[in-house]
Amino acid sequence: DQQVKQNSPSLSVQEGRISILNCDYTNSMFDYFLWYKKYPAEGPTFLISISSIKDKNEDGRFTVFLNKSAKHLSLHIVPSQPGDSAVYFCAAPASGGSYIPTFGRGTSLIVHP
Amino acid sequence: DSGVTQTPKHLITATGQRVTLRCSPRSGDLSVYWYQQSLDQGLQFLIHYYNGEERAKGNILERFSAQQFPDLHSELNLSSLELGDSALYFCASSVDLSDTQYFGPGTRLTVL
Repeated sequence: DQQVKQNSPSLSVQEGRISILNCDYTNSMFDYFLWYKKYPAEGPTFLISISSIKDKNEDGRFTVFLNKSAKHLSLHIVPSQPGDSAVYFCAAPASGGSYIPTFGRGTSLIVHP
Repeated sequence: DSGVTQTPKHLITATGQRVTLRCSPRSGDLSVYWYQQSLDQGLQFLIHYYNGEERAKGNILERFSAQQFPDLHSELNLSSLELGDSALYFCASSVDLSDTQYFGPGTRLTVL
C-alpha cells in the first residue's frame, strides 16, 4: 500500500516556465513532508519541507503547497532551469508514532533549454 | 556534500556471497536509515536505527541485517546474494527520530 504517491513518472518543461510536481498521500497522520532532488548516481538531496500547520513554504525558486483536506502537496519551481532536471521525490519522514519513512516513486523532471 | 559517507562506492560480487556496506552519519546525527533503490524503482526503506537501537523495519529481507555501533556508524550486511539484490543502497542520517534525512552518495552493488 503506497501511502505517498507521485502519479506522474515524468514531466517535461521549457526553461523559464513553471514546473509543478504533484504528490498525494493517504495517511492523515502525516504531519511533515519533504521534497528531495536526485541526480543520477547520487544520493537524494533535501530541497524543501512543509509542516502540516502551514499551507505554503517558499525557498527561492521553490515553493511547496499543502492542501490537507485533499491530502495533496505540490512543488512549484519558478522559473525552471536546465539544472533542475532531476528526479524529485516527495516523502513523509514519519507518521503518528511510526518511524517508517515513506517515499513516493519520484517524478523525473526534464527542463529543456 | 551532505556529510554522510558511504563505503564502498561500488561493489561487484557473485551470487551466494556476503557483503558489508558501511555508513558514517553526519556529526551529531543519532538516526541512521538504509534504503534500496533498484532500477526504475523508488526508494525502498529497509531499516532505521536510532542511537544504537533498531527503531523501524521496512521491506528488509531476512538475508539482510544491519547494526549501529556505539560511534553511531552503521553497517548493512547482505548475505546469500541474488541477482535481484543488485541495486543502489543509500544510507541517510538525521538528528532525531523524524527529522529531515540527509543522504549519502550510495553504494552501487552489482551481483553477477
